[in-house]
Amino acid sequence: DGGITQSPKYLFRKEGQNVTLSCEQNLNHDAMYWYRQDPGQGLRLIYYSQIVNDFQKGDIAEGYSVSREKKESFPLTVTSAQKNPTAFYLCASSIVPQGNTGELFFGEGSRLTVL
Amino acid sequence: AQSVAQPEDQVNVAEGNPLTVKCTYSVSGNPYLFWYVQYPNRGLQFLLKYITGDNLVKGSYGFEAEFNKSQTSFHLKKPSALVSDSALYFCAVRGSTLGRLYFGRGTQLTVWP
Repeated sequence: DGGITQSPKYLFRKEGQNVTLSCEQNLNHDAMYWYRQDPGQGLRLIYYSQIVNDFQKGDIAEGYSVSREKKESFPLTVTSAQKNPTAFYLCASSIVPQGNTGELFFGEGSRLTVL
Repeated sequence: AQSVAQPEDQVNVAEGNPLTVKCTYSVSGNPYLFWYVQYPNRGLQFLLKYITGDNLVKGSYGFEAEFNKSQTSFHLKKPSALVSDSALYFCAVRGSTLGRLYFGRGTQLTVWP
């Protein structure tokens, strides 16, 4: 079945540690996105990538880093510079916007808790 | 700049009654509008979208949405609510730059048996 796989589902981290969240898709989509979800704040865009080896900052990129070495993979690293990393992280993908209506397909999310 | 507003944090409705979850938008140009649903600790699932054409859009699970250009609204509706419809609902609008979506803050729908 085609879809987006995020791992791990739950992750605990000590302060000062970096952590990497995995996102893999087999939908053959060109564009991939990382959103952060906090209660009552909706979804905020962290980073997005429209093509391999290229990505752009979203609205809240500080303290995060990404890479896009393969079309199907878009890992997110939460660095120790992120002041409040405890959140629910959602990865999504879509067909490249040109000629597409913009619908996103989401993974099941990763919940990060900093102890 | 593109944005959506969901004026209600919570909506409560009895099972079998009609439900409405409100959304208003601000966008330059023609709007591409979306509704998504999220169950606890899960990702977002696509419900429906408005691109062009009929103002009444039908989607998954019996939901529909009415696009109103003059009121810049895109309210989600269902004629008869189910307890299983209880979830968090997000309205979103497509931006003009690179196709990214802008999401509202979400509305928690609770359907009472």
